Amino acid sequence: DIVMTQSPDSLAVSLGERATINCKSSQSVLYSSNNKNYLAWYQQKPGQPPKLLIYWASTRESGVPDRFSGSGSGTDFTLTISSLQAEDVAVYYCQQYYSTSFTFGPGTKVDIK
Amino acid sequence: QVQLVQSGAEVKKPGSSVKVSCKASGGTFSSYAISWVRQAPGQGLEWMGGIIPIFGTANYAQKFQGRVTITADESTSTAYMELSSLRSEDTAVYYCARNPLTMIVGTLGAFDIWGQGTMVTVSS
Repeated sequence: DIVMTQSPDSLAVSLGERATINCKSSQSVLYSSNNKNYLAWYQQKPGQPPKLLIYWASTRESGVPDRFSGSGSGTDFTLTISSLQAEDVAVYYCQQYYSTSFTFGPGTKVDIK
Repeated sequence: QVQLVQSGAEVKKPGSSVKVSCKASGGTFSSYAISWVRQAPGQGLEWMGGIIPIFGTANYAQKFQGRVTITADESTSTAYMELSSLRSEDTAVYYCARNPLTMIVGTLGAFDIWGQGTMVTVSS
């Protein structure tokens, strides 16, 4: 299975400041046939199911605010929240769907400083 | 707008089985796969397995092979996950999630819609 790791485990950012979360896969999730990275980011708030934020590593899901952006390719990826809002307090997970034995990162908890 | 509506909370004894359902409300399963993902209390997300209803083919995470069965009924747009030989470590919220088939054969997209979750408690 492809192992996903995330860093940091948690971070606290002031309102309006930037939050950056890193995700690394144990093998490339870039599919050569279509040049797409099979990497997604999800946001999960307490008591709620995960919500898709980003897919294909950098495509924002419909309705997701543009302060959320994804970047990276191959094995190294980043989720950036450009200006943290109170409603962004949550746990964020990366996930690979390159292999249909899907795997998630362990999650990064984002709080307000 | 399609929603995935799951069955209600369950309390089970160790050694028994549980079957959770997931119905697509406002749509069908056409062109989608359905996966099951679980989350133990305070823990992360763990993919258990999935099915492509139009093909009827299921695949499972190695960890759950032999203990989980995922099926789907296209006529009612409902997927099911049955987990057997339950133990206390299976106490978790179980989610179904939808991901689309892609243009590249054999690949699927990200999980774009999730069910509300079903709490399964295993306790003697």
